[in-house]
Amino acid sequence: DVKVTQSSRYLVKRTGEKVFLECVQDMDHENMFWYRQDPGLGLRLIYFSYDVKMKEKGDIPEGYSVSREKKERFSLILESASTNQTSMYLCASSLPRTGQGYEQYFGPGTRLTVT
Amino acid sequence: AQKVTQAQTEISVVEKEDVTLDCVYETRDTTYYLFWYKQPPSGELVFLIRRNSFDEQNEISGRYSWNFQKSTSSFNFTITASQVVDSAVYFCALRLANAGGTSYGKLTFGQGTILTVHP
Repeated sequence: DVKVTQSSRYLVKRTGEKVFLECVQDMDHENMFWYRQDPGLGLRLIYFSYDVKMKEKGDIPEGYSVSREKKERFSLILESASTNQTSMYLCASSLPRTGQGYEQYFGPGTRLTVT
Repeated sequence: AQKVTQAQTEISVVEKEDVTLDCVYETRDTTYYLFWYKQPPSGELVFLIRRNSFDEQNEISGRYSWNFQKSTSSFNFTITASQVVDSAVYFCALRLANAGGTSYGKLTFGQGTILTVHP
């Protein structure tokens, strides 16, 4: 069974703080993804990574950065948290592009509130 | 650019009713994959089904069935004899099979449909 874990289920931070969201997967997947989920907007891709130290911007990368130093771990960083980054953050992983139809496996999400 | 539309924001049914969740997609590519995910109150998205664009055969899995119609760009999901445990947010998503560049496995999601099944 694929397991994707996220470091926190709930997080409350203050405006301007630097925030780290951690994601770990145990299935040796090459691809990892960070999404944010907002009511009425579905899931929107922030960043993804297709290999260690490799990353690509998604649809809404502004205000975020990522780090992937090890294959199993993908971190999302909010350099200076703002209230409009209050959201549910979901991490996912999948097999690589050569397996084009492979589904993504999701973690339980981190509900971040920025006050 | 791809787009997935789930026009039904919320659906409320009584247990044992059948319910259909609509999904309409837009893409210029001819080769793609369609997915349905379920998000129960616990928050974790659960994969339900994958369909590739060349396979228009409908699929049934227990109380779940999917109707893929390329002619109308729709991939609808029906739950037969709904149960309270089916209450969740359901997402439809699309992925291109031959995305160029570094679009590795990028999914485009619909807005989600909140399904509430009352006892």
